[in-house]
Amino acid sequence: NAGVTQTPKFQVLKTGQSMTLQCAQDMNHEYMSWYRQDPGMGLRLIHYSVGAGITDQGEVPNGYNVSRSTTEDFPLRLLSAAPSQTSVYFCASSYSGGPQGEQFFGPGTRLTVL
Amino acid sequence: GESVGLHLPTLSVQEGDNSIINCAYSNSASDYFIWYKQESGKGPQFIIDIRSNMDKRQGQRVTVLLNKTVKHLSLQIAATQPGDSAVYFCAERVANNDMRFGAGTRLTVKP
Repeated sequence: NAGVTQTPKFQVLKTGQSMTLQCAQDMNHEYMSWYRQDPGMGLRLIHYSVGAGITDQGEVPNGYNVSRSTTEDFPLRLLSAAPSQTSVYFCASSYSGGPQGEQFFGPGTRLTVL
Repeated sequence: GESVGLHLPTLSVQEGDNSIINCAYSNSASDYFIWYKQESGKGPQFIIDIRSNMDKRQGQRVTVLLNKTVKHLSLQIAATQPGDSAVYFCAERVANNDMRFGAGTRLTVKP
């Protein structure tokens, strides 16, 4: 099992550019989520999905879109990047159907928006 | 809004000693808590969880204590090892599918 994989590891964008952060898991987990982690702050939930075709907003969804066409993949799209979106992004999945229990996190994508 | 916090941002302990990492939470309705470990450059890793109907739970070398009266959570690591050096943070479930995370405490283990 590869677990939760994320690409790219690092990305630099200019303000206004768009991009997609990829996330995939091979554990057949129904629940997947995206977080951002900023210095001095805890993880904040951006979007989550409880299964293919179902997504919902978390604490900080503005400026991000998600889709869940398959159980394995949960991409995060930045529509028009802003410096405030400079952060480390983590994707996670869980067999429990929610964030309770063991969430498996990917290695993260470090994004810088200039 | 209410948020999870930590008493100390850094903690330094001698190898072999026990470590205690504290967390204060402010949402009295939170019913479930998790401790995570995050090593440099990696994603968070689940350590242990506890439900609000418990006040103590033990794992391998770790114990989580929950004091609902003062809204306090602690993680005890027995016989701390160099591999335990990391950032530790707690999370509370404030509502279904809504976990709130603390900023973390950096634990450094001195050989």
